[in-house]
Amino acid sequence: QKEVEQNSGPLSVPEGAIASLNCTYSDRGSQSFFWYRQYSGKSPELIMSIYSNGDKEDGRFTAQLNKASQYVSLLIRDSQPSDSATYLCAVGRYNFNKFYFGSGTKLNVKP
Amino acid sequence: GAVVSQHPSRVICKSGTSVKIECRSLDFQATTMFWYRQFPKQSLMLMATSNEGSKATYEQGVEKDKFLINHASLTLSTLTVTSAHPEDSSFYICSASYRSDGEQFFGPGTRLTVL
Repeated sequence: QKEVEQNSGPLSVPEGAIASLNCTYSDRGSQSFFWYRQYSGKSPELIMSIYSNGDKEDGRFTAQLNKASQYVSLLIRDSQPSDSATYLCAVGRYNFNKFYFGSGTKLNVKP
Repeated sequence: GAVVSQHPSRVICKSGTSVKIECRSLDFQATTMFWYRQFPKQSLMLMATSNEGSKATYEQGVEKDKFLINHASLTLSTLTVTSAHPEDSSFYICSASYRSDGEQFFGPGTRLTVL
């Protein structure tokens, strides 16, 4: 079983729609959760971080965490073609030097 | 803040030669630096984790004698690919962390092509 699971996609949504990206993790002791965006040929960039149950909103992005279900998601409202990228979920524990990345979900936003 | 640079951004070398890639945290001191490799259309693969002044911890299947990592200071880590072969051609990305929650800041990556 992988530490972090993501659907590889591609997930296709029309411009202006809500894109929902999901991630599950196996380590129940995980404490920090991150969403990174990676454009083709580029390195990942941080989109959101979340540490406690519930929702965290930042502009068009909302991260949702449910530790009981070991589930973290990213919602992108009013999706734009420029949001087309691979989204990586990362999970870790405080003070641990290893964080686990999912394999990423490819998002296509169609004009 | 939290900017990480890598040099070079792109390198082409002949088979059998060694290539050194530098990773620098420009505006913070990194307690930990990570090295990843990514083949086309594949996910990030962690190669090794290093802390300043100590030996790197390599992931299973990564040859430590082939991929030499030196974390000489809190702002600099280097990855040397020794005796490179065409199958080592890949996108190498470093990241650095200074926070206890482990948030990683990524460098722009180095694309290595071995002829």
